[in-house]
Amino acid sequence: EIVLTQSPGTLSLSPGERATLSCRASQSVSSSYLAWFQQKPGQAPRLLIFGASSRATGIPDRFSGSGSGTDFTLTISRLEPEDFAVYYCQQYGSSLWTFGQGTKVEIK
Amino acid sequence: QVQLQESGPGLVKPSETLSLTCTVSGYSISSGYYWGWIRQPPGKGLEWIGSIYHSGSTYYNPSLKSRVTISVDTSKNQFSLKLSSVTAADTAVYYCAREIHEDYGDYNYYMDVWGKGTTVTVSS
Repeated sequence: EIVLTQSPGTLSLSPGERATLSCRASQSVSSSYLAWFQQKPGQAPRLLIFGASSRATGIPDRFSGSGSGTDFTLTISRLEPEDFAVYYCQQYGSSLWTFGQGTKVEIK
Repeated sequence: QVQLQESGPGLVKPSETLSLTCTVSGYSISSGYYWGWIRQPPGKGLEWIGSIYHSGSTYYNPSLKSRVTISVDTSKNQFSLKLSSVTAADTAVYYCAREIHEDYGDYNYYMDVWGKGTTVTVSS
């Protein structure tokens, strides 16, 4: 099973700042199988990025994904008030989906 | 647009079987795609439970496989989850989701549409 480790656990930033979230895999992941989700309290996860770098429908271009192999990054270029939430990376491999433990982006 | 809605009992007794249904609207399950179940214990992260293809083929999380059954009813446009021998550790919000397995281009796999989730508590 591929384990995804996200860092940092919590990111304290102000609106307008840049957020950089990391997702590291215990073994190589196909970029085609790496996605990022946003989750707000009481809501279902929302797909942001698939294929490591493709934005889902309706996702603003301030969200971008990059990386390959074992290291992937989600970047929010300028934080808007509605971006403060928990973010999860997810991968598919060997007929098994796994998620990272999440990074909370909170208002500083 | 495609919408998913989970339904089922909110309270299940220990050792009993948890049963949930996901009703799909805006898309016919028999047309394709995989359909999955994911759960989230209170205050914790996401755990994939298992998935089913419209034809009925399934794949499950090995950690839950011995207790999980996922089935599909294309006539009702629904798919269902059964989790047997539940304990307090199975208390969670349960989500259903659509899985995309592209068979062209970059062959991306991802979950694009999720239900709002339903809370299931295991308690006597």
